[in-house]
Amino acid sequence: DTGVSQDPRHKITKRGQNVTFRCDPISEHNRLYWYRQTLGQGPEFLTYFQNEAQLEKSRLLSDRFSAERPKGSFSTLEIQRTEQGDSAMYLCASSLGTSGSREQFFGPGTRLTVL
Amino acid sequence: RKEVEQDPGPFNVPEGATVAFNCTYSNSASQSFFWYRQDCRKEPKLLMSVYSSGNEDGRFTAQLNRASQYISLLIRDSKLSDSATYLCVVNMRGRDDKIIFGKGTRLHILP
Repeated sequence: DTGVSQDPRHKITKRGQNVTFRCDPISEHNRLYWYRQTLGQGPEFLTYFQNEAQLEKSRLLSDRFSAERPKGSFSTLEIQRTEQGDSAMYLCASSLGTSGSREQFFGPGTRLTVL
Repeated sequence: RKEVEQDPGPFNVPEGATVAFNCTYSNSASQSFFWYRQDCRKEPKLLMSVYSSGNEDGRFTAQLNRASQYISLLIRDSKLSDSATYLCVVNMRGRDDKIIFGKGTRLHILP
């Protein structure tokens, strides 16, 4: 399968713990996006990378959130000191090219539950 | 005003009917527009891009009205399999190259 993959698919953690999610984009895709989605809402943009450079971060991305894409391939999203409000589906998407005008291909998401 | 607004629905439509939804956007600098489809507990997938001149793909027609800042999606001869949430997506080129998703419109096709 050459689509976008995310790991883990589900994560249950206790409040205050740190969690890290991984996204493997489609191999030739330059851009990689992270979104958060809660029930009844559309995906909310968190951040994106153009190759290894992180070009934009949403105001939603508090200091507890950090994302990396060290070699321009896979990316990780870390949440430190998780809070119950962090419970959501975290979606990763990738696209080809250097603008936001291209189709994004989404991974299956990581569902985070913070107890 | 929200950057991208959609009627959340749900739209309950009998099979075979035609249904249309709109999406309004606030930033006139918006340049690219898309409709994505999301099934329950699945990831979004591109349904179609929206071009300035309007475009059609089978039973689906998308249109852009820049003057009034909205895009529309028309589904003809609706099928049970069209039941899903339809997400409007707007890309605002410029310094930030922002991509904004609407909250989605839920569609239920009734047998």
